[in-house]
Amino acid sequence: EAQVTQNPRYLITVTGKKLTVTCSQNMNHEYMSWYRQDPGLGLRQIYYSMNVEVTDKGDVPEGYKVSRKEKRNFPLILESPSPNQTSLYFCASSHTGGPVLTGELFFGEGSRLTVL
Amino acid sequence: KQEVTQIPAALSVPEGENLVLNCSFTDSAIYNLQWFRQDPGKGLTSLLLIQSSQREQTSGRLNASLDKSSGRSTLYIAASQPGDSATYLCAAQNSGGSNYKLTFGKGTLLTVNP
Repeated sequence: EAQVTQNPRYLITVTGKKLTVTCSQNMNHEYMSWYRQDPGLGLRQIYYSMNVEVTDKGDVPEGYKVSRKEKRNFPLILESPSPNQTSLYFCASSHTGGPVLTGELFFGEGSRLTVL
Repeated sequence: KQEVTQIPAALSVPEGENLVLNCSFTDSAIYNLQWFRQDPGKGLTSLLLIQSSQREQTSGRLNASLDKSSGRSTLYIAASQPGDSATYLCAAQNSGGSNYKLTFGKGTLLTVNP
């Protein structure tokens, strides 16, 4: 079954404690991306990757890191989480033709993060 | 900076009605526009993807159109059903320079009443 898998689905942590949210896709997609969704602000892109070893900032990259060492995985790293990073996070992936998304964007089920 | 707006923010209709959801974008330099559905507490599910060279896409009761020159896209839902109740979002992929970001609208919350 084609899917994007995120872990953990739910996490409560404390300020400053480093954490990683994993994302894996089984569709051999070139493009992967992270978003956060907040009430009233909608869905905002954090980072995206057009292919292995190629990443770029989205609209809200501050406080986050990513890496794309393998095609299937795109972890989101919060080096020193703060309460303003409390949010619902989504990972997504798609096929590309050059810079263009050529197929539908598949989303994971989301990871709800609370930073105390 | 690309801005994507969806109006109305919420819409309530009786079952069986045909309806149109609107999406507008400020920068016409886009590769494509995609419509999604999101159910409460769930991830997004892609409904239709329209490349910039296309004018419309259809899937079942759904039809999406794209007018780049006017910065607008519409999602038409025919014969709406209670199961269509969800939040509908649109997203544009930028084509300007080396920026391939996706920008999402805040969505339209659709309620279809039996």
